Amino acid sequence: DAKTTQPTSMDCAEGRAANLPCNHSTISGNEYVYWYRQIHSQGPQYIIHGLKNNETNEMASLIITEDRKSSTLILPHATLRDTAVYYCIVRVSLYGSSNTGKLIFGQGTTLQVKP
Amino acid sequence: EAQVTQNPRYLITVTGKKLTVTCSQNMNHEYMSWYRQDPGLGLRQIYYSMNVEVTDKGDVPEGYKVSRKEKRNFPLILESPSPNQTSLYFCASSFGGGDQPQHFGDGTRLSIL
Repeated sequence: DAKTTQPTSMDCAEGRAANLPCNHSTISGNEYVYWYRQIHSQGPQYIIHGLKNNETNEMASLIITEDRKSSTLILPHATLRDTAVYYCIVRVSLYGSSNTGKLIFGQGTTLQVKP
Repeated sequence: EAQVTQNPRYLITVTGKKLTVTCSQNMNHEYMSWYRQDPGLGLRQIYYSMNVEVTDKGDVPEGYKVSRKEKRNFPLILESPSPNQTSLYFCASSFGGGDQPQHFGDGTRLSIL
């Protein structure tokens, strides 16, 4: 079962920041927060991940609350090509005990970027 | 360019005719995994491999086989395909250990008639 809760859908105007929330209230201390997106039926694309601290890369920023029970993915200047399903996933380090390394994709948030 | 390559991208075949979907990565990743994606069910893990000659079942392994004889390749084998294996398949890979993200191939759409 997915350990995260995301809104089903969101809209964003092109050029504006897209802020995608995720709740993970049962996250454990050794679990990371990952964000992926899937455009149509293409392979899921890794965006960013973090443990405690906020993270930023060339694609996005990840803001994790101090209690780690929720996070927000920020696409600073959304374009039409950012229209996709965005998945928030929590997962332990790959070599944790009994760890298959699998990613549990929930239903995600469908982000529609509009002109 | 770093990538995970799957072949074929599309295949329509008939029940019982053995098929293999290949997956190759050029990133020297230890970990590789296969998922299938079905409407309403999300992505489900079929098999995974922690390294060469080390494979194990995921959540939905029935009807599939895998092998990991080389680090870069992780083929998915359907010995006797059936219509309920019609699906979109993804291969993923990552470095082992720590928090390394998985990188996915472009997918293989299989239709079993």
